Amino acid sequence: TAGITQAPTSQILAAGRSMTLRCTQDMRHNAMYWYRQDLGLGLRLIHYSNTAGTTGKGEVPDGYSVSRANTDDFPLTLASAVPSQTSVYFCASSSDQGAGNEQFFGPGTRLTVL
Amino acid sequence: QKEVEQNSGPLSVPEGAIASLNCTYSDRGSQSFFWYRQYSGKSPELIMSIYSNGDKEDGRFTAQLNKASQYVSLLIRDSQPSDSATYLCAVNWAAGRRALTFGSGTRLQVQP
Repeated sequence: TAGITQAPTSQILAAGRSMTLRCTQDMRHNAMYWYRQDLGLGLRLIHYSNTAGTTGKGEVPDGYSVSRANTDDFPLTLASAVPSQTSVYFCASSSDQGAGNEQFFGPGTRLTVL
Repeated sequence: QKEVEQNSGPLSVPEGAIASLNCTYSDRGSQSFFWYRQYSGKSPELIMSIYSNGDKEDGRFTAQLNKASQYVSLLIRDSQPSDSATYLCAVNWAAGRRALTFGSGTRLQVQP
């Protein structure tokens, strides 16, 4: 089972350019999330989607947008990249079964904005 | 601002010892708690979840939750060098709220 896949694995991007980070899950999870991870700051939530067709803002949404056209895909778009968006980006998903909301993570995308 | 606090470490223990990792959180109404392990350059991997006060054991791992004192801990028995990683504590603040808040992690080093 693939679980969650992310693409690309890494990318160097010029400031001002746009980019879409892709995330696909095959677990039929309703909820999906985007986090960024920076040294010393831990994982911070950018955007989330509780179900297909809905999205919400997390802790650090500025400069990012998401869409959730179907259950499996949750792309993250940077409209005009800035150096402060240099980070490792993780996509995650969770089922609405059970009480706990256990989240499972993709392998990540390492993005460098120059 | 709801917070999850962890000592950044590194916590260094000898092989075979018990490693004790601690996490405190700010919201007394928090519902569920998770421990993730993250190897350098890799993604977080869920290793334990706990929802009620007390201990929960899974192999060499034991999660302990004390809601009155607002802390959750992870014990790793018979620590192995392969346990060397960063351990992230995560909290779900309210039932029905999906997103987790993460601590910044504790780096564990198991010395052979």
